[in-house]
Amino acid sequence: AQSVTQPDIHITVSEGASLELRCNYSYGATPYLFWYVQSPGQGLQLLLKYFSGDTLVQGIKGFEAEFKRSQSSFNLRKPSVHWSDAAEYFCAVGISGNTPLVFGKGTRLSVIA
Amino acid sequence: NAGVTQTPKFQVLKTGQSMTLQCAQDMNHNSMYWYRQDPGMGLRLIYYSASEGTTDKGEVPNGYNVSRLNKREFSLRLESAAPSQTSVYFCASNGQLNLDGELFFGEGSRLTVL
Repeated sequence: AQSVTQPDIHITVSEGASLELRCNYSYGATPYLFWYVQSPGQGLQLLLKYFSGDTLVQGIKGFEAEFKRSQSSFNLRKPSVHWSDAAEYFCAVGISGNTPLVFGKGTRLSVIA
Repeated sequence: NAGVTQTPKFQVLKTGQSMTLQCAQDMNHNSMYWYRQDPGMGLRLIYYSASEGTTDKGEVPNGYNVSRLNKREFSLRLESAAPSQTSVYFCASNGQLNLDGELFFGEGSRLTVL
C-alpha cells in the first residue's frame, strides 16, 4: 500500500522568504501526486498535481512542486511567501484515477512579519 | 455548480446518540469518499464507494456505516457516537474524467461528541 511522509509538522518563515515543504512517498510505480492547502476552518483546496510528463509542475498562488523519482519526493516550493500563505499543507498520493488518495499528516505553515 | 455539499456543518452529540452526515455531489462523479481529520493525523479514509451500489472500508471504518443512496449521494452514519469520533469529517468525490484522481472536497462537518 502507498504511504506519504511529511517530515515537518510545523514551519515558520518570514514574509518574503522562500519556502520548501517536503513530501516523500512510498509506492512501487509512478504515483499520482497532489498538494492541497487548508486555511483555518476551511475545506481543502488543490494547489497542484503531478500525473505524468514534466516533473516540475506549476500550481495556483505561485506554488510549484518537483517530482523526483530517484528520491521518491514531491516537494512544494514558493519563491516568496505572503502572509496569506499561512495554512496547513497536505501532500497526497494516489495510484489510479478513481481510488482513494492517501494523505500525509500535514505541515502547518506560519508566516511572520 | 455547488460541487460537493455536506450537511450539517456543525453537530454536537451526546455519547450513544446516532446521526447521519449527508453528502451530495453534482459533478456526475462515480467515486465518493468519507475522510476524517484529526489534529496531527492528517486525513484518514473511513469508507469509500467506487461506484453506485458498492462500498469499501478504508483505514478507520469501526463505528461507522455508509450508504451510497444513488450516484449523487453518499451518507455516513454513526450508530452510537463515542467521544473518539469527535472530528472534522470531509466528503470527497472523483470520476473517470479525472484521470489523475484529483479529489473534490466538501467544506467539512465538525462533529463533537460529549
